[in-house]
Amino acid sequence: GQNIDQPTEMTATEGAIVQINCTYQTSGFNGLFWYQQHAGEAPTFLSYNVLDGLEEKGRFSSFLSRSKGYSYLLLKELQMKDSASYLCAVGDSNYQFIWGAGTKLIIKP
Amino acid sequence: DSGVTQTPKHLITATGQRVTLRCSPRSGDLSVYWYQQSLDQGLQFLIQYYNGEERAKGNILERFSAQQFPDLHSELNLSSLELGDSALYFCASSAGGLETYNEQFFGPGTRLTVL
Repeated sequence: GQNIDQPTEMTATEGAIVQINCTYQTSGFNGLFWYQQHAGEAPTFLSYNVLDGLEEKGRFSSFLSRSKGYSYLLLKELQMKDSASYLCAVGDSNYQFIWGAGTKLIIKP
Repeated sequence: DSGVTQTPKHLITATGQRVTLRCSPRSGDLSVYWYQQSLDQGLQFLIQYYNGEERAKGNILERFSAQQFPDLHSELNLSSLELGDSALYFCASSAGGLETYNEQFFGPGTRLTVL
């Protein structure tokens, strides 16, 4: 079957760095997405990886290893507003998005 | 503002009823996706339309149906509603449908409460 695993919840300190991992098993692969979702709001796009390696975008970076079925989202210089759920999603060969359950990130002062 | 609009924002109804949720995609986007998100749960993909045609189907119940109209807006119809159908329903749109790696832009969602 198809599956995406992420930690359910993580806690980090303001100003620190946190890494959110995502592992996946899907039928085919057409890219991996990271989205941010604040409680009760719509998800917003953060990053997209289709090739192995690191993509950096400001305070956020995303890494992909297709051979390992693994990705991580790295958030630096954490701010209180980064408290949200982070969703990992994979596009499979059937034109479907497979979504992880999301990682709830709690930032403490 | 993602450019995707959804109406209504909130909907309260009773079990056994039928409701219609409406979505207008971003200008120029041909693909529309529907998702269900129950409280503290992940996004469940329901269905995708591309330029009026059904493109992919996820875990959509038989009581649910959708369509995309010639002007590209989409409607999600939920019938014989049950308490468990209470959730946030998101619509998203993207530029294309033939590749899966198009960024999806999400609407603000419709919160459905079934009493």
